[in-house]
Amino acid sequence: EPEVTQTPSHQVTQMGQEVILRCVPISNHLYFYWYRQILGQKVEFLVSFYNNEISEKSEIFDDQFSVERPDGSNFTLKIRSTKLEDSAMYFCASSPGQVTPNTEAFFGQGTRLTVV
Amino acid sequence: AQSVTQPDIHITVSEGASLELRCNYSYGATPYLFWYVQSPGQGLQLLLKYFSGDTLVQGIKGFEAEFKRSQSSFNLRKPSVHWSDAAEYFCAVGAGRGSTLGRLYFGRGTQLTVWP
Repeated sequence: EPEVTQTPSHQVTQMGQEVILRCVPISNHLYFYWYRQILGQKVEFLVSFYNNEISEKSEIFDDQFSVERPDGSNFTLKIRSTKLEDSAMYFCASSPGQVTPNTEAFFGQGTRLTVV
Repeated sequence: AQSVTQPDIHITVSEGASLELRCNYSYGATPYLFWYVQSPGQGLQLLLKYFSGDTLVQGIKGFEAEFKRSQSSFNLRKPSVHWSDAAEYFCAVGAGRGSTLGRLYFGRGTQLTVWP
């Protein structure tokens, strides 16, 4: 069964450092997403990406964040200068182009980011 | 604005008992509705979804959910709970329009504990 894969599973970084979280979406999907879940809180949308550009972003996704699809398979989330409050589980997801009865967003296993 | 409410933070049931997890949403149009399950340290797995048509939808692991437009609800049910169902359950609404899935808005989650 196709799946979304994320690396690393856990990353520890010092405050102020840059981090890149990596994702490999399902190969024939066209929409890509990042979500995050701060411990004990709800899953929150960060950004969606389609046709090599951001299609939507939330108020959380400020100038410290950026996304990129550097090649045909990877989708990355960069946090330029991490803060303590960026500590969270980050989920990547992908979905097909058109909504059909079989459409869903497939989620990866997540990357737990700990900022110290 | 779109939102999802899961009023029960934690539910405890005995194995073999029936289960109902509540979900209410706020959305201006016909929503795309989802239930995801998250086991400790795992990603989000889709249990079931509603896009249109029959308001009672069947999912994996014996779960079902009923969409009630008049009550803005999408409650998850299972007739007989198994110990392996212990996990956190998230209701989500997709804000897509027409052919796109759009971002998902998640509820805070309901933690299910199953007593042997």
